[in-house]
Parts: sequence; structure tokens; C-alpha cells
Amino acid sequence: SAVISQKPSRDICQRGTSLTIQCQVDSQVTMMFWYRQQPGQSLTLIATANQGSEATYESGFVIDKFPISRPNLTFSTLTVSNMSPEDSSIYLCSVGEYEQFFGPGTRLTVL
Amino acid sequence: QQQVKQSPQSLIVQKGGISIINCAYENTAFDYFPWYQQFPGKGPALLIAIRPDVSEKKEGRFTISFNKSAKQFSLHIMDSQPGDSATYFCAAEDTGRRALTFGSGTRLQVQP
Repeated sequence: SAVISQKPSRDICQRGTSLTIQCQVDSQVTMMFWYRQQPGQSLTLIATANQGSEATYESGFVIDKFPISRPNLTFSTLTVSNMSPEDSSIYLCSVGEYEQFFGPGTRLTVL
Repeated sequence: QQQVKQSPQSLIVQKGGISIINCAYENTAFDYFPWYQQFPGKGPALLIAIRPDVSEKKEGRFTISFNKSAKQFSLHIMDSQPGDSATYFCAAEDTGRRALTFGSGTRLQVQP
């Protein structure tokens, strides 16, 4: 299984600011995904980030709010832009297909 | 079409008992069905998974039963232990996007 790290592990941010979350994998992977887990809730897919192409966003998520970069096969970033308290969630990256592994998550609190 | 329905929402089992969590799906494009275990403050960990061409898969104390015609699958935890206390999510992966659609989760508490 892949070893996935995320930075930061947690952050407290002010309304209107932006935060960039990093996801690093210890091996090259094709498929990488970003999910959101709101407090006490299940996981919802934000977007699929594949190297060399634009990220594909799910309904309800837009690039202006959640821009994603995927510069290579081991790294991706998710930015949460112009944050509001409703963005307070855990953001998780995952990699793989058929066996999908998750990072530890970034716990974001927006005041 | 993309929804995966999971029940029960919470479950309390005595140590040594059997925990059973059920999921149902509609989308026939799903072709891989994993279960994840999540402890507080941690990311989900892949527990066990099954493909629709088999009806059952067992790994240690964990068993997935799969009913393709009914579009249902379940997780059985045999000899449940207090260390199994966590939130369990079923999920389904589709053939096109390879992204996961998650169930709503089951909070399992195993009492000593």
C-alpha cells in the first residue's frame, strides 16, 4: 500500500482567506482524489486529480473555490479559497484504483 | 444513481459477538466494493474489499457477503473486540471514474 502524507495536519483560518493543502505519496500513482468529510459525516468526492490533465470536479464543487494542482505523479495540492465557516471539514487525499488508500487528512476550522 | 445506502447508523455489540453492517446500491456501473474503518482523528483505512464476481470474501474475522442480484453487500465482524470500536464505511467504485461513493457510515461500539 502507498504511504500518503498531508500538510498541514490541521489549521484554524479566518473567514475570507485561503489554505493550500499538500498531499505527498511515496510512489508514483496515476489516480489521485480529494475528498471532504464534514464533521460527523461521510466522505464526499471533491475532484479527481490526474497528472497532465485538468482536475475533474464533482457536482457542487467548482475550480474557483477548490483549485487543484497535480504537477507530478507523487504530489498534489488542494486550495480552499475564500473560506467560510461552512468549509470547516476534514480534507483527505487518496490514491489508487481498486485499492484506494487515504492520507491522514487535514482538519480545517474556519472562524 | 450514485447513492450507497448504509445501515444501521450505530451499533452496539458485546465482546465476542457478531457485528453486521449492511449496504445497498443502485448503480450497476459499480464494480468494486471496499469497506473502510475509521478511528477518530484518522483517515479511513481499507479493511476488506470484494468484486461482484464473488459472493463472499473472508479475511480473518472480517467477511464480506455480496448479493449481486439484490445489489446488496454486508460486512460481518466475527468475535467482535473493543478494539474494533470505530466508524465503518462501505463504498463502491465505478468503472469509469474509479472514484468512491461512500455510505453514510456506521458507528460501532463493542462493549467489554
